[in-house]
Amino acid sequence: QSVLIQPPSASGTPGQRVTISCSGSSSNIGSNSVNWYQQFPGTAPKLLIYNINQRPSGVPDRFSASKSGTSASLVISGLQSEDEADYYCAGWDDSLNGHVAFGGGTTLTVL
Amino acid sequence: QVQLQESGPELVKPSETLSLTCTVSGGSMTSYYWNWIRQPPGKGLEWIGNIYTSGSTKYSPSLKSRVTMSIDTSRKQFSLKLSSVTAADTAVYYCARSVISSGYYYYYMDDWGKGATVTVSS
Repeated sequence: QSVLIQPPSASGTPGQRVTISCSGSSSNIGSNSVNWYQQFPGTAPKLLIYNINQRPSGVPDRFSASKSGTSASLVISGLQSEDEADYYCAGWDDSLNGHVAFGGGTTLTVL
Repeated sequence: QVQLQESGPELVKPSETLSLTCTVSGGSMTSYYWNWIRQPPGKGLEWIGNIYTSGSTKYSPSLKSRVTMSIDTSRKQFSLKLSSVTAADTAVYYCARSVISSGYYYYYMDDWGKGATVTVSS
């Protein structure tokens, strides 16, 4: 059972806006920043969003994210077929002497 | 951006120790934290721990009794040892560089290795 809770799946059609949620607690999202990683099958995860809403160089601006209280969201606007991948939220959790917590991951399907 | 490459045995017997090394190229190790993360087949990501260039470490609470990490900045390598492995430790093991703020407010992994598949089986 992951510390951060994500829906196992999400879907949308090309051009649509899709939101993936990430629910945590006061010891993680509630008090620390959140990051999002994108992973294609058979490849390593790639940093997609860091420090709540910052995009690394090269990440399209159709990817955005936010945080409110103990939850965070990743929004993909103008969905494209190449966005079909697994998405993970993650961040520092202050409990148990501190550790990185990952969400269970959301598989995004572009219909 | 740095490049990271995991290396080590692909097959480990139950009860033995899994050992992996991550070699860093294209940049300095100084002032960064270096992580191990794993992903069992068909499952999500699990953080194993990190090590700073000073040698200080932080481990996952669920694995800390079996994990040891070390670092050799002169060789630009850091290593993972996981003892008493079982089939549940079968996974792709990734090494990654992380950027961390004081107090761990932000902690993100910006460069990852391609991953090393390790199978625990007799």
